[in-house]
Amino acid sequence: QQQVKQSPQSLIVQKGGISIINCAYENTAFDYFPWYQQFPGKGPALLIAIRPDVSEKKEGRFTISFNKSAKQFSLHIMDSQPGDSATYFCAALNTGNQFYFGTGTSLTVIP
Amino acid sequence: DAGITQSPRHKVTETGTPVTLRCHQTENHRYMYWYRQDPGHGLRLIHYSYGVKDTDKGEVSDGYSVSRSKTEDFLLTLESATSSQTSVYFCAIRYRETYEQYFGPGTRLTVT
Repeated sequence: QQQVKQSPQSLIVQKGGISIINCAYENTAFDYFPWYQQFPGKGPALLIAIRPDVSEKKEGRFTISFNKSAKQFSLHIMDSQPGDSATYFCAALNTGNQFYFGTGTSLTVIP
Repeated sequence: DAGITQSPRHKVTETGTPVTLRCHQTENHRYMYWYRQDPGHGLRLIHYSYGVKDTDKGEVSDGYSVSRSKTEDFLLTLESATSSQTSVYFCAIRYRETYEQYFGPGTRLTVT
């Protein structure tokens, strides 16, 4: 049973466009929602994270939108660049200190 | 990189042999995690630790054990490796107050 469902599995975006990745969860005990970026052969790197008491968080070109009532959160990458091409994972942390990850989205930004 | 190292970085072993992977951190974090990453599954939690000698199971703990006798080291042991345990294993630390989690470089394990 997948605790965090992520879509799409892959995404192709033109340079300068907006990349949007979505995640949904069921467990209301989750209270921290991070996004990670992973390049081939590397470990995941923390990109941005949000707590459920806010609806949006922005850091540079990366924005998390959070909808508590719908149990959904999304990552928006503005002005997407070829260097953003990577795999992105959403995750959720429960009050028991366990992280649950989505299955990942492979993003390709075409020059 | 939050001072996390993993060893070995690559290992090939035979079915039925024991294997121990080591995670070492230099920043005295209380929380440490072991994950495996497989295509189509994302990262799945194997075990985690919330202090010396304090560990708990994750969602895919069968066939794995862990130990933490010092704050800086978290060991993952496969008592009798199977081909289904071929994977990339990541260790991570978590900051207690901010919940931020940082990963090590990973260990690629192949069980033949």
